[in-house]
Amino acid sequence: QSVLTQPPSASGTPGQRVTISCSGSRSNIGGNYVYWYQQLPGTAPKLLIYTNNQRPSGVPDRFSGSKSGTSASLAISGLRSEDEADYHCAAWDDSLRGLVFGTGTKVTVL
Amino acid sequence: QVHLVQSGAEVKKPGASVKLSCKASGYTFTNYYMHWVRQAPGQGLEWMGIINSTGGSTSYAQKFRGRVTLTRDTSTSTVYLHLTSLTSEDTAVYYCARWGVSADSRGHDLDYWGQGTLVAVSS
Repeated sequence: QSVLTQPPSASGTPGQRVTISCSGSRSNIGGNYVYWYQQLPGTAPKLLIYTNNQRPSGVPDRFSGSKSGTSASLAISGLRSEDEADYHCAAWDDSLRGLVFGTGTKVTVL
Repeated sequence: QVHLVQSGAEVKKPGASVKLSCKASGYTFTNYYMHWVRQAPGQGLEWMGIINSTGGSTSYAQKFRGRVTLTRDTSTSTVYLHLTSLTSEDTAVYYCARWGVSADSRGHDLDYWGQGTLVAVSS
């Protein structure tokens, strides 16, 4: 049972912009940084966005993150076929004293 | 370069226990905490716990307390997850992931992941 809520799916055609939401509470997103992980089919998750809106070296600038209050978003602009993957948000939860993850969103490129 | 190599797939019967390993290389093992995260078939990621690779202190998700134990062996740079009283709901891929300081030094992220170990629980 995930603490952070994401839509189960999102889709777009190549070149479009897709946005994924991640909703939490004051004890997690509201008071801590948000991270996003990309999981390509059959592989382990990979860090995509750290501290709300920073991209690790090598992550295209088509990916961007934002946070407002107890919610966060991941945007993928200029959608490409290789972006088909599951996307997971995560944050530390001060009440649970542990990491919490989102329910995961499957992005499909039509 | 950093590598986390996990042990192979396991098939267990309900009620049994399993011990998984995660061998780290390419960095100073005792400088980083390690998390364990699992993913049931078709489901999202679920945090299980964290271990301090230096002192061995641990913290577990409430759901798993009493059933999970994380340990580490600094001589081999390996962390272990021991899970008891398995049920079919424990069927999942289990990942170890290193908790590193974020590149902007403001937070911590799971910067390297193992390849995952499938645990199947079936009678």
